[in-house]
Amino acid sequence: DAGVTQSPTHLIKTRGQQVTLRCSPISGHKSVSWYQQVLGQGPQFIFQYYEKEERGRGNFPDRFSARQFPNYSSELNVNALLLGDSALYLCASRLSGANVLTFGAGSRLTVL
Amino acid sequence: QKEVEQDPGPLSVPEGAIVSLNCTYSNSAFQYFMWYRQYSRKGPELLMYTYSSGNKEDGRFTAQVDKSSKYISLFIRDSQPSDSATYLCAMGLTQGGSEKLVFGKGTKLTVNP
Repeated sequence: DAGVTQSPTHLIKTRGQQVTLRCSPISGHKSVSWYQQVLGQGPQFIFQYYEKEERGRGNFPDRFSARQFPNYSSELNVNALLLGDSALYLCASRLSGANVLTFGAGSRLTVL
Repeated sequence: QKEVEQDPGPLSVPEGAIVSLNCTYSNSAFQYFMWYRQYSRKGPELLMYTYSSGNKEDGRFTAQVDKSSKYISLFIRDSQPSDSATYLCAMGLTQGGSEKLVFGKGTKLTVNP
C-alpha cells in the first residue's frame, strides 16, 4: 500500500516567489493536515482539511493557503516567500474517526 | 510557557542501554499522546499512541503517561544503533471539528555500537 506521497521532494525558491506543494493521502483517508518543520524544531500545525473543507488553521499568516480536491489530495500554497519559510513541509493523513496521523516524507523548501 | 516542553538533547548512549525520553505539557485539554521517530530527512513515523494515564508496552518500547503531572515518557530497552533518530512527543487535541497535534522540539538520540 502506498503511504502519504508528497511532491516535489526538494525545491529552491527566492524571496517573494510563490510555491505549491502537493500531497496524496493514503487511500481511504479523507482528512489531510499540513505541518511546517523548521530545522531543529518539532512540526507545527498549519492546516487541516476534511472532505474538502478547512477544519482547522494554525498560527500562520494569510500567505499560507491550502485546498483539498474531490479525490482527497491536497495542495499547500505559500505566497510572497520569506527566508523564514525555509522548512520541511509535512503532509499527513488520517482515517475518519481515528486519531493517528500518518506522515509523508515531506517537501524540503529552501528560500534564498 | 510553551504548550509542550521536550529536552532536545543530544543524547548519546551505548548499545544495550535503557533510554528514557520525557516531555511535559501545560494544556490539560490534550486528549491523546504519541511518540514519533524521525530519521534524518524523513517524515515522522508513529511509534506509540495512548490516550490514558498509565503504561503501554510494545516490544522494546514503553510509553508512560501521567495526566495529573502532565508528563509523558518513552522508554527504550536494549537500545540498538538502528534506534538512532530524533524522537518527537506529540499531544493531540480535538476541538470544534478540528484535530491537531502539538509537538515537542524532539530529542536527538545516538546509540553507539
